[in-house]
Amino acid sequence: AQSVTQLDSQVPVFEEAPVELRCNYSSSVSVYLFWYVQYPNQGLQLLLKYLSGSTLVKGINGFEAEFNKSQTSFHLRKPSVHISDTAEYFCAVRTNAGKSTFGDGTTLTVKP
Amino acid sequence: DAGVIQSPRHEVTEMGQEVTLRCKPISGHNSLFWYRQTMMRGLELLIYFNNNVPIDDSGMPEDRFSAKMPNASFSTLKIQPSEPRDSAVYFCASSEQGSQLYEQYFGPGTRLTVT
Repeated sequence: AQSVTQLDSQVPVFEEAPVELRCNYSSSVSVYLFWYVQYPNQGLQLLLKYLSGSTLVKGINGFEAEFNKSQTSFHLRKPSVHISDTAEYFCAVRTNAGKSTFGDGTTLTVKP
Repeated sequence: DAGVIQSPRHEVTEMGQEVTLRCKPISGHNSLFWYRQTMMRGLELLIYFNNNVPIDDSGMPEDRFSAKMPNASFSTLKIQPSEPRDSAVYFCASSEQGSQLYEQYFGPGTRLTVT
């Protein structure tokens, strides 16, 4: 079985500040890692994914994440946020069997 | 491509009524997932299909819930009878080739309110 823990339920930041959204996972098997974003009243959209290779993954909208196997983490970062980044962010893991497990989400609020 | 299509976008029904949610996955995708999202429980995987076959339905909350995928381009999630605690946003997602390597594409969701 696998689980995902998003360590912060809410993250308020000011515009143009850097942000890090934390995600830890546990699994008895190899997993693939994803970050999704959900804007109000919309479905989830993929931000980025880690499958293999370089542990630093770049995604859309200037986001990036780093896979750390020893710490079983996959934290999401952006050096300078915009008001439009206000949304809920979900970390997810997926096994070879195809089953996905999502974290509880982190609400990022960017203030002017 | 139009993306994953869900209908209806909103559903309001009375307790005890049957509810049917519909999903059309992206053409060429042969994995389909049904999720439920609530404030209390977050995003929960209910069931997923590979090549129209249910692979894991362990997330289906109880016998009142059933899902079918009669062909590659259509799936339904049915709740009968519905209860107020079923109120949630239900998302359908699809992915390509049934591979674990491919991300899921989510539909806009159906917001269900059971009164």
